[in-house]
Amino acid sequence: SQQGEEDPQALSIQEGENATMNCSYKTSINNLQWYRQNSGRGLVHLILIRSNEREKHSGRLRVTLDTSKKSSSLLITASRAADTASYFCATAGGGADGLTFGKGTHLIIQP
Amino acid sequence: KAGVTQTPRYLIKTRGQQVTLSCSPISGHRSVSWYQQTPGQGLQFLFEYFSETQRNKGNFPGRFSGRQFSNSRSEMNVSTLELGDSALYLCASSTRGENEAFFGQGTRLTVV
Repeated sequence: SQQGEEDPQALSIQEGENATMNCSYKTSINNLQWYRQNSGRGLVHLILIRSNEREKHSGRLRVTLDTSKKSSSLLITASRAADTASYFCATAGGGADGLTFGKGTHLIIQP
Repeated sequence: KAGVTQTPRYLIKTRGQQVTLSCSPISGHRSVSWYQQTPGQGLQFLFEYFSETQRNKGNFPGRFSGRQFSNSRSEMNVSTLELGDSALYLCASSTRGENEAFFGQGTRLTVV
């Protein structure tokens, strides 16, 4: 069963704009991770944020975590065509087995 | 450092047959997890192995099984294939199951 639910399901923006994706989950977690997947290939790990952290940055990525609302957001600044992909949040811990993935947000960057 | 290697990349099988997929994790990683990805159900956790022991198992029927060898390489087996088993099967390795996971390119299984 899905733990994380990404929102929106699909997002199309112009190159150079910022993209924001949200993830909500249901149970307590140890950490939350974001992954990117290009067209039916393997997933690439982007960033991990622990349950006691509120914000984390990595290059053009900014992730926030609000454990009281059981939600996280991923911000990609100054988007590029190469950012076109599906983005998944995954939760770890909280009694679940392994990493539990949401259904993903499909991001399209228009040139 | 070599990445996670999954073989084969593509596979076509007939309903009722069985299939074995292989995964070689990153050197030094002792945790290997398997996931099934389909358009309808998304990414679903199958099982996790750590040091040759199955630590966690997802909600899949007993037709899905796996094992891990002493060199951390893992195999998963699906017996009595059904059309609904058609999916992308992804393997991920990590130092521990909850840590950052490194995924292979996946095996695309088509059951006809």
